[in-house]
Amino acid sequence: GQSLEQPSEVTAVEGAIVQINCTYQTSGFYGLSWYQQHDGGAPTFLSYNALDGLEETGRFSSFLSRSDSYGYLLLQELQMKDSASYFCAVRDRVTGGGNKLTFGTGTQLKVEL
Amino acid sequence: KAGVTQTPRYLIKTRGQQVTLSCSPISGHRSVSWYQQTPGQGLQFLFEYFSETQRNKGNFPGRFSGRQFSNSRSEMNVSTLELGDSALYLCASSLGHSGANVLTFGAGSRLTVL
Repeated sequence: GQSLEQPSEVTAVEGAIVQINCTYQTSGFYGLSWYQQHDGGAPTFLSYNALDGLEETGRFSSFLSRSDSYGYLLLQELQMKDSASYFCAVRDRVTGGGNKLTFGTGTQLKVEL
Repeated sequence: KAGVTQTPRYLIKTRGQQVTLSCSPISGHRSVSWYQQTPGQGLQFLFEYFSETQRNKGNFPGRFSGRQFSNSRSEMNVSTLELGDSALYLCASSLGHSGANVLTFGAGSRLTVL
């Protein structure tokens, strides 16, 4: 099975940079994704790493190291609207594909003035 | 382009009843998956349908079932409701099974079991 751990809460100030970590134990996966969810809202896709390394999408970057079983989401130039929950997720390779995602425990990011 | 539509948005049931939730995916998306979200267990995969066939199933009891119609719309059913079934049920659609597998989620159906 898959297990993904994230810090439960992170607090940062507006304009700062914050890193949300995701450590995992998995028997195999296709790639690591990140989703953002505002209170009362739907999760929305942010980023995907199929290979080791850094992927940059605007203010958001995501990193994956399969050898270290570790990934992170980096948010730069934080804005108040970035206050939300962030989830890492893997697509299970063992099941032969499909869209079965295992989500991490989630990190609630609070951006303060 | 319309997003993923889930109905109903909110519902209250009592223990022992059954419930059916509906999901209309983005036009052209053939994969529909369902997730249960609770404060204690987080986001958990229920099942996935692709071209009317169940492709994957999560670790939930048989009381949870689903189906997909030829127009890709999907329904999930929970029978003999228990208090622990209170949750936000999220539906997500995707074009297929390759690449980033970007899931587009609906706003969810919030079920309260009394």
